[in-house]
Amino acid sequence: NAGVTQTPKFQVLKTGQSMTLQCAQDMNHNSMYWYRQDPGMGLRLIYYSASEGTTDKGEVPNGYNVSRLNKREFSLRLESAAPSQTSVYFCASSETVWGYGYTFGSGTRLTVV
Amino acid sequence: GDSVTQMEGPVTLSEEAFLTINCTYTATGYPSLFWYVQYPGEGLQLLLKATKADDKGSNKGFEATYRKETTSFHLEKGSVQVSDSAVYFCALSVQNQGGKLIFGQGTELSVKP
Repeated sequence: NAGVTQTPKFQVLKTGQSMTLQCAQDMNHNSMYWYRQDPGMGLRLIYYSASEGTTDKGEVPNGYNVSRLNKREFSLRLESAAPSQTSVYFCASSETVWGYGYTFGSGTRLTVV
Repeated sequence: GDSVTQMEGPVTLSEEAFLTINCTYTATGYPSLFWYVQYPGEGLQLLLKATKADDKGSNKGFEATYRKETTSFHLEKGSVQVSDSAVYFCALSVQNQGGKLIFGQGTELSVKP
């Protein structure tokens, strides 16, 4: 089925460890996004890529890096995980056309101990 | 800056009751407006959208009307079902900002039989 695929679905890290969250879409969308979801705070944008070859910071970029590997793939890296990064992470993609919504992946639940 | 404010949850209703979830927004440009739904353990799914003033978005019995004069996009359903239990997110995107979505904090709905 067409859509956005995220891996892994669950991950437990120790403080200071690093990891990369993977995201791939097969809808030929231009734009891709990483959000984090925390209780009572909705979704907050971490980074986004409006088109292949570009990335920009969102609302909460500190502690994260991203790579737009090609049009399909957009990865999120935590270089030195902290307990404050315990969250559910969602990747999404969209056409870069005003008025179109997003297609979301099913999320990665990350716990940093 | 641009923002979305939703009524706080949780909202608990009996089956077949009428649902309203309030959403108001602040935007510097002319936004498109969206409602997303998140079922337990899943990612967000687009429920409905409206791209200009007085447009009504509808899907699965849910409706919302874009009210520019009151900067609102309230979600309504005439008769809720247990299967409607989920978290509902109001969101906006503004032209020429990479299609970025800005989300409200989410409203949890619980429908009891």
